[in-house]
Amino acid sequence: AQSVTQLDSQVPVFEEAPVELRCNYSSSVSVYLFWYVQYPNQGLQLLLKYLSGSTLVKGINGFEAEFNKSQTSFHLRKPSVHISDTAEYFCAVSDHTNAGKSTFGDGTTLTVKP
Amino acid sequence: DAGVTQSPTHLIKTRGQQVTLRCSPKSGHDTVSWYQQALGQGPQFIFQYYEEEERQRGNFPDRFSGHQFPNYSSELNVNALLLGDSALYLCASSPGLGGQYFGPGTRLTVT
Repeated sequence: AQSVTQLDSQVPVFEEAPVELRCNYSSSVSVYLFWYVQYPNQGLQLLLKYLSGSTLVKGINGFEAEFNKSQTSFHLRKPSVHISDTAEYFCAVSDHTNAGKSTFGDGTTLTVKP
Repeated sequence: DAGVTQSPTHLIKTRGQQVTLRCSPKSGHDTVSWYQQALGQGPQFIFQYYEEEERQRGNFPDRFSGHQFPNYSSELNVNALLLGDSALYLCASSPGLGGQYFGPGTRLTVT
């Protein structure tokens, strides 16, 4: 079984500032890692994914994340945020036997202020 | 490509009633998963269908059942609705590796 902990429930930040959303996971097996974004009253959109290879992965909208196996973390970063980045962000893991079954964290609300 | 579609968008039901939610996966995707997202929480895995069979199931009671059709579309059925079943129900399809593609969800309110 896996579990995901998103360390910050809310992150307020000013426009054009950098941001980091933190995610730790627990698993007894190798995992795939994902970040999703959810805008109000919408479904989830895949931001980026780590399947294998380079531990630094780049996604859409200028986001990137780094997989750290020793610290079991997968933090999401963006060097300069925009008002339009205001949304709920979810970290998720899947084990290698079934990438279509994900365990999600409880989400981090990113609020970008002008 | 229409992406993942779900119907209806919103639904209001009374305790004890039954409900059916529908999902059409993204073109080319043969695996459909259903999630329940309560307010302020992350999605919780209900079950997954592949080749018209339930492949995996999360920690949900038997009141939650599903079906997958030959065209890969899927239904989620919930019997004997409880107030606690009020949530956003998300359908996701996947081509295997690479993450899932989510639909916009069905907002179910049980009164």
